[in-house]
Amino acid sequence: SQTIHQWPATLVQPVGSPLSLECTVEGTSNPNLYWYRQAAGRGLQLLFYSVGIGQISSEVPQNLSASRPQDRQFILSSKKLLLSDSGFYLCAWRGLAGPTGELFFGEGSRLTVL
Amino acid sequence: AQSVTQPDIHITVSEGASLELRCNYSYGATPYLFWYVQSPGQGLQLLLKYFSGDTLVQGIKGFEAEFKRSQSSFNLRKPSVHWSDAAEYFCAVGADDYKLSFGAGTTVTVRA
Repeated sequence: SQTIHQWPATLVQPVGSPLSLECTVEGTSNPNLYWYRQAAGRGLQLLFYSVGIGQISSEVPQNLSASRPQDRQFILSSKKLLLSDSGFYLCAWRGLAGPTGELFFGEGSRLTVL
Repeated sequence: AQSVTQPDIHITVSEGASLELRCNYSYGATPYLFWYVQSPGQGLQLLLKYFSGDTLVQGIKGFEAEFKRSQSSFNLRKPSVHWSDAAEYFCAVGADDYKLSFGAGTTVTVRA
């Protein structure tokens, strides 16, 4: 069966520090991968998605970046965190090609920037 | 681009009462519609989805949703809620691309 892992689960970082959130998927190959951010009362905002190794599409211009160094690994990074980067970050994968496949979500990473 | 509106930010319902959560979407072609549930501090779990066929779809945990093209709606319902249904619910719409757009969510509180 397929599983998705996200870490760290909780992170407290000072403003200006770097960030690296990692997500890996097991039990499937060539998944579509997604990073969403959830801020209180604002739903889920799509940040990045990837349809293959090295292929990253950015939805929202910001100081975050994403990389996909391996087929089932998706990394969210920042060189210098802002207060506004605080939130709950969710990684997700979709197995079926096309829009009818559901997203499977990880457990999330809660980032607090102080 | 597709978008989703969930008009109700917060709903309180008594245990055993019925529940209906509203979802309106905006998309020019046939949408692909989903409802997800999120328990506090957790990821999201799919309740049900619609992309063709019968407009009344059944999901897990006793939930159902009805697609109404004329109203651009995909409302979620449950005849009798349980305390364990307290959570945040998200409606989402997909299009003929790789993206899934989510609404702002509706928080459901269940009172005894």
